[in-house]
Amino acid sequence: GQQVMQIPQYQHVQEGEDFTTYCNSSTTLSNIQWYKQRPGGHPVFLIQLVKSGEVKKQKRLTFQFGEAKKNSSLHITATQTTDVGTYFCAGPREYGNKLVFGAGTILRVKS
Amino acid sequence: KAGVTQTPRYLIKTRGQQVTLSCSPISGHRSVSWYQQTPGQGLQFLFEYFSETQRNKGNFPGRFSGRQFSNSRSEMNVSTLELGDSALYLCASSPNLRGRAGELFFGEGSRLTVL
Repeated sequence: GQQVMQIPQYQHVQEGEDFTTYCNSSTTLSNIQWYKQRPGGHPVFLIQLVKSGEVKKQKRLTFQFGEAKKNSSLHITATQTTDVGTYFCAGPREYGNKLVFGAGTILRVKS
Repeated sequence: KAGVTQTPRYLIKTRGQQVTLSCSPISGHRSVSWYQQTPGQGLQFLFEYFSETQRNKGNFPGRFSGRQFSNSRSEMNVSTLELGDSALYLCASSPNLRGRAGELFFGEGSRLTVL
Protein backbone atom coordinates (compact mmCIF):
# COMPACT_ATOMS: atom_id res chain seq x y z
CA GLY A 1 0.00 0.00 0.00
CA GLN A 2 0.90 3.63 -0.16
CA GLN A 3 3.70 4.64 2.15
CA VAL A 4 4.95 8.04 3.16
CA MET A 5 8.48 8.07 4.48
CA GLN A 6 10.02 10.94 6.35
CA ILE A 7 13.60 11.64 7.29
CA PRO A 8 15.34 12.31 9.54
CA GLN A 9 13.57 10.85 12.52
CA TYR A 10 15.21 13.28 14.93
CA GLN A 11 17.14 16.50 14.54
CA HIS A 12 18.83 18.46 17.27
CA VAL A 13 20.01 21.88 16.19
CA GLN A 14 21.53 24.89 17.84
CA GLU A 15 19.25 27.90 17.89
CA GLY A 16 19.88 29.90 14.76
CA GLU A 17 20.82 26.91 12.63
CA ASP A 18 18.71 25.76 9.72
CA PHE A 19 16.59 22.61 9.67
CA THR A 20 15.18 20.49 6.85
CA THR A 21 12.90 17.49 6.87
CA TYR A 22 12.18 15.39 3.79
CA CYS A 23 9.13 13.43 2.81
CA ASN A 24 8.87 10.75 0.12
CA SER A 25 5.80 8.93 -1.09
CA SER A 26 5.73 5.57 -2.84
CA THR A 27 2.98 6.90 -5.11
CA THR A 28 2.18 10.18 -6.81
CA LEU A 29 0.21 12.50 -4.57
CA SER A 30 -2.58 14.85 -5.55
CA ASN A 31 -1.39 17.12 -2.78
CA ILE A 32 0.78 17.05 0.31
CA GLN A 33 0.10 18.59 3.67
CA TRP A 34 2.39 19.51 6.53
CA TYR A 35 1.46 19.55 10.21
CA LYS A 36 3.28 20.55 13.37
CA GLN A 37 2.70 18.96 16.74
CA ARG A 38 4.13 20.65 19.79
CA PRO A 39 5.15 18.41 22.71
CA GLY A 40 1.98 17.38 24.52
CA GLY A 41 -0.19 18.95 21.85
CA HIS A 42 -2.11 17.94 18.79
CA PRO A 43 -1.20 18.23 15.11
CA VAL A 44 -1.82 21.65 13.64
CA PHE A 45 -2.09 22.23 9.92
CA LEU A 46 0.71 24.29 8.40
CA ILE A 47 0.23 24.20 4.66
CA GLN A 48 -1.00 22.26 1.65
CA LEU A 49 0.90 22.02 -1.63
CA VAL A 50 -0.93 21.02 -4.76
CA LYS A 51 1.07 21.88 -7.87
CA SER A 52 4.13 20.12 -9.21
CA GLY A 53 7.26 22.03 -8.24
CA GLU A 54 5.32 24.35 -5.96
CA VAL A 55 7.24 26.39 -3.39
CA LYS A 56 5.50 28.25 -0.58
CA LYS A 57 6.92 30.34 2.22
CA GLN A 58 5.60 31.16 5.65
CA LYS A 59 8.03 33.54 7.32
CA ARG A 60 11.07 31.35 8.10
CA LEU A 61 9.45 28.16 6.76
CA THR A 62 9.83 27.11 3.12
CA PHE A 63 7.82 24.21 1.71
CA GLN A 64 8.52 22.49 -1.60
CA PHE A 65 6.60 19.92 -3.60
CA GLY A 66 8.63 17.86 -6.03
CA GLU A 67 8.21 17.93 -9.78
CA ALA A 68 7.00 14.33 -9.77
CA LYS A 69 4.66 15.06 -6.85
CA LYS A 70 6.18 12.21 -4.87
CA ASN A 71 8.42 14.15 -2.53
CA SER A 72 8.36 17.27 -0.45
CA SER A 73 10.51 19.17 1.98
CA LEU A 74 10.15 21.64 4.81
CA HIS A 75 13.04 23.98 5.51
CA ILE A 76 13.23 26.25 8.53
CA THR A 77 15.74 29.07 8.42
CA ALA A 78 17.39 30.22 11.64
CA THR A 79 15.50 27.98 14.02
CA GLN A 80 14.07 29.34 17.24
CA THR A 81 13.04 27.56 20.42
CA THR A 82 9.42 28.05 19.40
CA ASP A 83 10.05 25.73 16.44
CA VAL A 84 10.41 22.65 18.64
CA GLY A 85 7.97 19.87 17.95
CA THR A 86 7.27 17.09 15.51
CA TYR A 87 6.72 17.92 11.86
CA PHE A 88 4.56 15.54 9.86
CA CYS A 89 3.92 15.34 6.16
CA ALA A 90 0.74 13.67 4.96
CA GLY A 91 -0.67 12.66 1.61
CA PRO A 92 -4.23 11.74 0.71
CA ARG A 93 -5.14 8.24 -0.26
CA GLU A 94 -8.21 7.22 -2.20
CA TYR A 95 -11.33 9.27 -1.82
CA GLY A 96 -12.19 11.57 1.00
CA ASN A 97 -10.02 12.60 3.87
CA LYS A 98 -7.92 9.51 4.45
CA LEU A 99 -4.46 10.90 4.98
CA VAL A 100 -1.35 8.77 5.19
CA PHE A 101 1.08 10.42 7.59
CA GLY A 102 4.81 10.15 7.61
CA ALA A 103 6.42 9.07 10.87
CA GLY A 104 7.37 12.66 11.60
CA THR A 105 10.62 14.46 12.34
CA ILE A 106 11.20 15.51 15.91
CA LEU A 107 12.98 18.85 16.10
CA ARG A 108 14.80 19.93 19.23
CA VAL A 109 16.40 23.35 19.42
CA LYS A 110 19.21 24.08 21.87
CA SER A 111 19.41 27.65 23.03
CA LYS B 1 -15.68 29.46 15.91
CA ALA B 2 -15.10 26.69 18.42
CA GLY B 3 -12.53 24.05 17.57
CA VAL B 4 -12.82 20.29 17.59
CA THR B 5 -13.81 19.04 21.02
CA GLN B 6 -12.94 15.60 22.27
CA THR B 7 -14.11 13.97 25.46
CA PRO B 8 -12.91 12.60 27.72
CA ARG B 9 -9.37 13.97 27.58
CA TYR B 10 -7.89 11.25 29.75
CA LEU B 11 -9.13 7.85 30.79
CA ILE B 12 -7.81 4.69 32.32
CA LYS B 13 -9.33 1.30 31.62
CA THR B 14 -8.40 -2.29 32.28
CA ARG B 15 -7.97 -5.08 29.78
CA GLY B 16 -11.21 -6.50 28.52
CA GLN B 17 -13.24 -3.37 29.13
CA GLN B 18 -14.71 -1.22 26.42
CA VAL B 19 -14.46 2.51 25.88
CA THR B 20 -16.38 5.16 23.96
CA LEU B 21 -14.76 8.39 22.85
CA SER B 22 -16.65 11.40 21.62
CA CYS B 23 -15.81 14.09 19.11
CA SER B 24 -17.66 17.29 18.24
CA PRO B 25 -16.38 18.74 14.97
CA ILE B 26 -16.14 22.36 14.02
CA SER B 27 -19.55 23.72 13.15
CA GLY B 28 -20.29 23.12 9.50
CA HIS B 29 -17.69 20.39 9.06
CA ARG B 30 -19.26 17.18 7.82
CA SER B 31 -16.18 14.96 7.68
CA VAL B 32 -14.79 13.45 10.86
CA SER B 33 -11.71 11.25 10.90
CA TRP B 34 -10.15 9.31 13.72
CA TYR B 35 -6.47 8.59 14.18
CA GLN B 36 -4.52 6.57 16.70
CA GLN B 37 -1.18 7.99 17.74
CA THR B 38 1.45 5.93 19.51
CA PRO B 39 5.19 6.54 19.90
CA GLY B 40 6.02 3.44 17.92
CA GLN B 41 3.46 3.59 15.10
CA GLY B 42 2.93 7.31 14.65
CA LEU B 43 -0.41 8.52 13.34
CA GLN B 44 -2.52 5.66 12.09
CA PHE B 45 -5.83 6.22 10.31
CA LEU B 46 -8.79 4.49 11.91
CA PHE B 47 -11.82 5.62 9.92
CA GLU B 48 -13.57 8.58 8.38
CA TYR B 49 -17.23 9.48 8.48
CA PHE B 50 -19.07 11.82 6.19
CA SER B 51 -22.79 12.53 6.45
CA GLU B 52 -23.26 9.62 8.87
CA THR B 53 -21.60 7.13 6.50
CA GLN B 54 -18.23 5.48 6.98
CA ARG B 55 -16.33 6.50 3.89
CA ASN B 56 -12.86 5.15 4.64
CA LYS B 57 -11.51 2.56 7.01
CA GLY B 58 -7.99 1.82 8.17
CA ASN B 59 -6.41 -1.49 9.01
CA PHE B 60 -7.66 -1.97 12.54
CA PRO B 61 -9.48 -4.99 13.95
CA GLY B 62 -13.23 -5.08 14.27
CA ARG B 63 -12.94 -4.15 17.95
CA PHE B 64 -12.59 -0.60 16.73
CA SER B 65 -15.83 0.90 15.51
CA GLY B 66 -17.36 4.29 15.08
CA ARG B 67 -20.40 6.19 14.03
CA GLN B 68 -21.50 9.66 13.14
CA PHE B 69 -24.73 11.35 14.09
CA SER B 70 -26.89 13.67 12.05
CA ASN B 71 -25.31 16.70 13.75
CA SER B 72 -21.86 15.44 12.57
CA ARG B 73 -20.77 14.53 16.08
CA SER B 74 -18.90 11.26 16.09
CA GLU B 75 -18.09 8.52 18.53
CA MET B 76 -15.60 5.72 18.38
CA ASN B 77 -15.76 2.58 20.45
CA VAL B 78 -13.08 0.09 21.32
CA SER B 79 -14.25 -3.19 22.78
CA THR B 80 -12.28 -5.85 24.64
CA LEU B 81 -9.43 -3.49 25.33
CA GLU B 82 -5.85 -4.72 25.04
CA LEU B 83 -2.70 -3.22 26.49
CA GLY B 84 -1.62 -2.22 23.00
CA ASP B 85 -4.66 0.00 22.64
CA SER B 86 -3.05 2.53 24.95
CA ALA B 87 -2.64 5.60 22.78
CA LEU B 88 -3.71 9.12 22.02
CA TYR B 89 -6.87 9.01 19.94
CA LEU B 90 -7.23 12.06 17.76
CA CYS B 91 -10.33 13.24 16.03
CA ALA B 92 -10.08 15.58 13.07
CA SER B 93 -12.79 17.42 11.20
CA SER B 94 -12.83 18.92 7.76
CA PRO B 95 -15.36 20.68 5.59
CA ASN B 96 -14.28 18.28 2.84
CA LEU B 97 -15.66 20.37 0.06
CA ARG B 98 -15.83 18.62 -3.31
CA GLY B 99 -14.74 15.33 -1.74
CA ARG B 100 -11.04 16.14 -1.87
CA ALA B 101 -8.66 15.71 1.03
CA GLY B 102 -8.21 19.09 2.61
CA GLU B 103 -6.92 20.59 5.79
CA LEU B 104 -7.68 18.59 8.90
CA PHE B 105 -8.50 20.32 12.15
CA PHE B 106 -7.47 18.10 15.04
CA GLY B 107 -8.89 18.01 18.52
CA GLU B 108 -6.64 17.77 21.54
CA GLY B 109 -7.19 14.04 21.72
CA SER B 110 -8.31 11.46 24.23
CA ARG B 111 -5.44 9.75 25.96
CA LEU B 112 -6.36 6.17 26.77
CA THR B 113 -4.32 4.06 29.15
CA VAL B 114 -5.12 0.36 29.37
CA LEU B 115 -3.84 -1.42 32.46
